[in-house]
Amino acid sequence: DGGITQSPKYLFRKEGQNVTLSCEQNLNHDAMYWYRQDPGQGLRLIYYSQIVNDFQKGDIAEGYSVSREKKESFPLTVTSAQKNPTAFYLCASSITMNTEAFFGQGTRLTVV
Amino acid sequence: GDSVTQMEGPVTLSEEACLTINCTYTATGYPSLFWYVQYPGEGLQLLLKATKADDKGSNKGFEATYRKETTSFHLEKGSVQVSDSAVYFCALFYNQGGKLIFGQGTELSVKP
Repeated sequence: DGGITQSPKYLFRKEGQNVTLSCEQNLNHDAMYWYRQDPGQGLRLIYYSQIVNDFQKGDIAEGYSVSREKKESFPLTVTSAQKNPTAFYLCASSITMNTEAFFGQGTRLTVV
Repeated sequence: GDSVTQMEGPVTLSEEACLTINCTYTATGYPSLFWYVQYPGEGLQLLLKATKADDKGSNKGFEATYRKETTSFHLEKGSVQVSDSAVYFCALFYNQGGKLIFGQGTELSVKP
């Protein structure tokens, strides 16, 4: 089955540790996105990538990093510089620009 | 910059009532417009889309018409069901930046 897989579904980390969230898609999509969702604030764009080996900062990139070494993979690292990392993280992909995005099931990160 | 504004929730309706969730946008050019739905603890699913002025997107009894003159894309359904309870997001694709921009979401609760 084609789709987007985020893992793990729940993730717990201690404050000050870096953590990497996985996002894999087998839809052969060029574009991939990472969003953060907080209660009552909708979705905010962290990073996006329109093509392999290229990515751009979104609206809230500080404290996050990404890589796009393979078309199917777009991992997100939440660094210790991110001041409030506890949130629900959503990965998405689309065929190209200006087409609908398909979302993974999300990863809920809790930093204690 | 481009943006999306949705009516605030939560919206509470009785089963079989009519639904309208307002969405207006600000954009340069002619963005594509989308409605997504999110059930508790899950990722987002595309509900419907419209890619040009006067297009009507429809799916599962929901409809929305791309109104360029009023820069709106209101979501409507004639008779809601308990199973429609979810959070609904309006979104636009920002052509010049390759970004999908979301509204803040509107929570819908349908009571039997």
